[in-house]
Parts: sequence; C-alpha cells; structure tokens
Amino acid sequence: EAQVTQNPRYLITVTGKKLTVTCSQNMNHEYMSWYRQDPGLGLRQIYYSMNVEVTDKGDVPEGYKVSRKEKRNFPLILESPSPNQTSLYFCASSHNPAGGTYEQYFGPGTRLTVT
Amino acid sequence: GESVGLHLPTLSVQEGDNSIINCAYSNSASDYFIWYKQESGKGPQFIIDIRSNMDKRQGQRVTVLLNKTVKHLSLQIAATQPGDSAVYFCAEKYRGYSTLTFGKGTMLLVSP
Repeated sequence: EAQVTQNPRYLITVTGKKLTVTCSQNMNHEYMSWYRQDPGLGLRQIYYSMNVEVTDKGDVPEGYKVSRKEKRNFPLILESPSPNQTSLYFCASSHNPAGGTYEQYFGPGTRLTVT
Repeated sequence: GESVGLHLPTLSVQEGDNSIINCAYSNSASDYFIWYKQESGKGPQFIIDIRSNMDKRQGQRVTVLLNKTVKHLSLQIAATQPGDSAVYFCAEKYRGYSTLTFGKGTMLLVSP
C-alpha cells in the first residue's frame, strides 16, 4: 500500500529535550515536506526537500532541522523544543514538482506537546 | 484532529444537497490550485486540482471553478453525503515556486 508513515503519532515531552519525528514514504517520491497545523492558522510549511541531500526552508523553519540522506526518509528534528512548538505535524511527499504535479500525499500526523 | 476545526468558517448542509466551498487566494501570479479534504484525526487528502489556464475542472461528484479576475476558487460537491463532513483546504502555488501555500480551511458539516 502506497503511504507516508510518521512516528511517533503522539508525543509529550519537556522543554529542551531533543526529539526526532520520523517520516518515511514508499512511493519513490523525490519531493518531501514537513508542515505544522495550528488552530486558526492552517497548514504552514516548515522545511521541504526536492531530492536527496537537497533541503530548503519553508515559511516557519525556526527551531527545526531536517535531513534527507535517503530518498524515502525525511526526519524532523527539534534540537531544543519549546512550548510554542506544540502542534500537529504532517509529513507529505510527491513526485518532483518540476514534472508539473503538485499532488502531495500526507502522513497521518504527529501530535506533539511540549511542556 | 478535532482541534483543527476551531475558529474555522463552517458550512452546514443536509444530505443530498449540493455544497459550495469558497476560497479567496492571495497571489494573482499563482498558476496552480488544489483542494484537500481533511477528516478528523487524519492527514489531508487530495481532491482535485486546476491550473490557471483553466476555468473549470470536474471530478467525481466534485467541480472546481476558478475566477482569476477576483482571485476566487470554489469547490462544488454534488449530492453531499455524511462522509463528506471534513475540513476542506484550498492551496495555491505561486508561479516560479514549487511549494504550496494553504488557506485556513472551511469545515463542512453534513446532516443526515
């Protein structure tokens, strides 16, 4: 089954404790992206990657890191989480947008709470 | 999850009615638009897309209309069903960019 998986699905942590949210896709997609979703603000892009070893900042990159060492994986790293990073996070993937398609497949989401 | 629906405009319809969800986009240079559906507790799911050189595109039970003059996008759902209850997002792609900018969403509630 074609899918984007995220782990963990739920995470409660404390301020300053480094964490990683993993994202993996099995569709051989070149493009991957991370979004956060907050009430009243919609989906905002954190980082994206056009291909392996190529990453770029989205609209709200502060406090986050990403890496793209393999095509299928795109982990989101919070080196020192703060309460304002409490949010619902989505990973998404798609074929290379240069091919004219922008349909992104989303994972199930990770609900993060930072106390 | 359910908290996504807070603060959103809401459209309430009866089962079998046609629904129209509207979206005002921001950039007159946007050349691609897409609609997503997000059910409670799930990630967004693609519905339909349209390029700026088109005014209308139809899918299964859905139609997207694009009015570039007033920067307006609409999603029409025919014969709305309870399973259509969800938050609907429009997104635009600015010309020359490869990323999507999402709107804040509209919640659709369908009563049996």
